[in-house]
Amino acid sequence: GNSVTQMEGPVTLSEEAFLTINCTYTATGYPSLFWYVQYPGEGLQLLLKATKADDKGSNKGFEATYRKETTSFHLEKGSVQVSDSAVYFCALSGLISSGSARQLTFGSGTQLTVLP
Amino acid sequence: DSGVTQTPKHLITATGQRVTLRCSPRSGDLSVYWYQQSLDQGLQFLIQYYNGEERAKGNILERFSAQQFPDLHSELNLSSLELGDSALYFCASSVQQGRQETQYFGPGTRLLVL
Repeated sequence: GNSVTQMEGPVTLSEEAFLTINCTYTATGYPSLFWYVQYPGEGLQLLLKATKADDKGSNKGFEATYRKETTSFHLEKGSVQVSDSAVYFCALSGLISSGSARQLTFGSGTQLTVLP
Repeated sequence: DSGVTQTPKHLITATGQRVTLRCSPRSGDLSVYWYQQSLDQGLQFLIQYYNGEERAKGNILERFSAQQFPDLHSELNLSSLELGDSALYFCASSVQQGRQETQYFGPGTRLLVL
C-alpha cells in the first residue's frame, strides 16, 4: 500500500534560519505529492504540490522537488519567519488498490516552531 | 479560505449519542472526502463521495456513515459515540482531474465526546 514517512518533530528554529523537513514515500504507480500546513486552531491548507518526477512545487518561499529516484519530497525554506510556525504534513495522492479512486495518504506531521 | 465550509465548528456531546457533521464543497467540485484527525491515529481517510455516489472507503467504522446530496453537500453521521471518537473531522473537496487531483480542506469540526 501507499505510505509517507515524515521527519519526526518538533523542530525549533530561530527566525531567518534554513528549514528542511524530510519526506519519503512508498507508492505504486505515479503519485502526486503535496505539502499541507495546519496553523494552530485551523484546517489544512495546501502549501504546494508536484504531479510528476522532477517537478518543483513552490509557494510563499517554500519549495519541494519530486525526486522519483530517491522517492522523496523534502520541504525547504531559505529563511523562516515566526509566522511559519505550524504543523506541516507531507501527503501523496495515489491509487487505492481496489479500483480507480485516488486517496490522500498523510505523513504524521512535523511541528515547526520559529523563535524571534 | 479554501471555499470548503463545515458546520458546526465545535460539537460537545455525550457517549452513546448521535451527531451529524455537514460539509459544503467548493463551487464546481464533485468529490467530497471525509477525514478524521486524532492525536493517536493522525490523519485518516474515512470515505469519499463523487457526484452523490460512494467512491471509496477508508478506515470508517460501521457506526459512522455518510452521504452526498443532489446539491453536492455531504453529511457525516456518527452514532453510538464513544470517548475515542473525540477528534477533528475534516472534509475536503476536489474536481476530479485524474492524477492531478488536488484536495482542498475545510476548517474542520472539533468533536468532543464526554
